[in-house]
Amino acid sequence: KAGVTQTPRYLIKTRGQQVTLSCSPISGHRSVSWYQQTPGQGLQFLFEYFSETQRNKGNFPGRFSGRQFSNSRSEMNVSTLELGDSALYLCASSLVVGIQRTDTQYFGPGTRLTVL
Amino acid sequence: GQNIDQPTEMTATEGAIVQINCTYQTSGFNGLFWYQQHAGEAPTFLSYNVLDGLEEKGRFSSFLSRSKGYSYLLLKELQMKDSASYLCAVRERADSSYKLIFGSGTRLLVRP
Repeated sequence: KAGVTQTPRYLIKTRGQQVTLSCSPISGHRSVSWYQQTPGQGLQFLFEYFSETQRNKGNFPGRFSGRQFSNSRSEMNVSTLELGDSALYLCASSLVVGIQRTDTQYFGPGTRLTVL
Repeated sequence: GQNIDQPTEMTATEGAIVQINCTYQTSGFNGLFWYQQHAGEAPTFLSYNVLDGLEEKGRFSSFLSRSKGYSYLLLKELQMKDSASYLCAVRERADSSYKLIFGSGTRLLVRP
């Protein structure tokens, strides 16, 4: 079974631009979560999507947004890029999210975004 | 709010045993995960605890005490390839969903 894939793997942008990152979950996984990883802050939760709906959101400004498609693929968008947005953006998929179940998240290789 | 603490760095010798501690304060606790992350790579799942006690998986074991807000990851018979960052993550329930809150990670260096 193929793992989580993310495209592109590397991206260089300049301040003020916007960027869209893509994540394809493991086949059959319906939940996709996004994280930002920086050396200073570690892994920070951005948001989670399940069945095309955002179910949870971290403490990031509105410039960070996302969506999920009917095939569970997800995109995240960052508008008006700032230097501090330079980071590794990881997505993780899990089989299902429910009150009584806890499913392991499996991570993709990440997209390394550099903002100049 | 959430607070997860783990040591920043640890060093150990090949063949030895090392214990990486993690303490947490969170509401809606619904499980604790350990992930391994090699430099430049994605985190990979190591273990999951939701009940108190020890979970053993080969050379790796993880322990949880919910009353103390404490977990540890035990790595036995250390190998050079175990040099990596080890991330403690608490799954927190929020209404009808969850979110995974990560600690800053412990960078483990295994020396010959």
